[in-house]
Amino acid sequence: AQSVSQHNHHVILSEAASLELGCNYSYGGTVNLFWYVQYPGQHLQLLLKYFSGDPLVKGIKGFEAEFIKSKFSFNLRKPSVQWSDTAEYFCAVNVFGNEKLTFGTGTRLTIIP
Amino acid sequence: GAVVSQHPSWVICKSGTSVKIECRSLDFQATTMFWYRQFPKQSLMLMATSNEGSKATYEQGVEKDKFLINHASLTLSTLTVTSAHPEDSSFYICSATPQGAQETQYFGPGTRLLVL
Repeated sequence: AQSVSQHNHHVILSEAASLELGCNYSYGGTVNLFWYVQYPGQHLQLLLKYFSGDPLVKGIKGFEAEFIKSKFSFNLRKPSVQWSDTAEYFCAVNVFGNEKLTFGTGTRLTIIP
Repeated sequence: GAVVSQHPSWVICKSGTSVKIECRSLDFQATTMFWYRQFPKQSLMLMATSNEGSKATYEQGVEKDKFLINHASLTLSTLTVTSAHPEDSSFYICSATPQGAQETQYFGPGTRLLVL
C-alpha cells in the first residue's frame, strides 16, 4: 500500500518569504499526486495535481509543485507567500487507476504579517 | 464547478442516538463518493468508498454496521452513525469524483459531530 510523508508539521514564515513544503510517497508504480489546502474553517480545496507530462505543475494562487520520480517527491513551492496563505496543506497520492486517496499528515503554515 | 455540499454542517446528539449526514454533488454526477474522518490536527482517514447502486467498501477497522452508507443516486450519498457514542465525535468529510474525471476528488465542507 502507498504511504505519504510530510515531514514539516508546522512552518512559520514572514510575508514575502519563499515557501517549500516537502512531500514524499512510497509506492513503486505509477501514481497521481495532489496538493490540497484547507483554510481555517473551510473545506479542502485542490491546489494542483500531477498525472503525467511536465513534472513541474502550476496551480492556483501562485503555487507550483515539482514531481521528482527518482526521489519519490512532490514538493510544493511558492516564491513569495502572503498572510492569506495561512492554512493547512495536505499532500495526497492515488495509484493510477484507483481513485482512493492516501493523505499525508498535513503541514500547518502560519504566515506572519 | 465541482461543488460538493454536506448537511448538516454540525450536529450535537445524545449518546445512543443515530445521526445521518448527507453529501451532495451539486453541479456534477458522481460515480463514486468517499467518506473520511478527520481528528483534530490530524490528517484525513478514509472510512469507506461509496458507489452508486452498490454496497460501500469499508476500510480496515471501520465498522460497517456502525457507519451505514447509502449511495442512492449519482448526486447523493448518506452516512448514518448508528448508536453514536462520545468516541464517534469527529469531523466527517465527504468527497466526490465526477464521471469522466475520476482521478480527482472534490471535497465537501465537512460535518462536525459532537456526541454527549
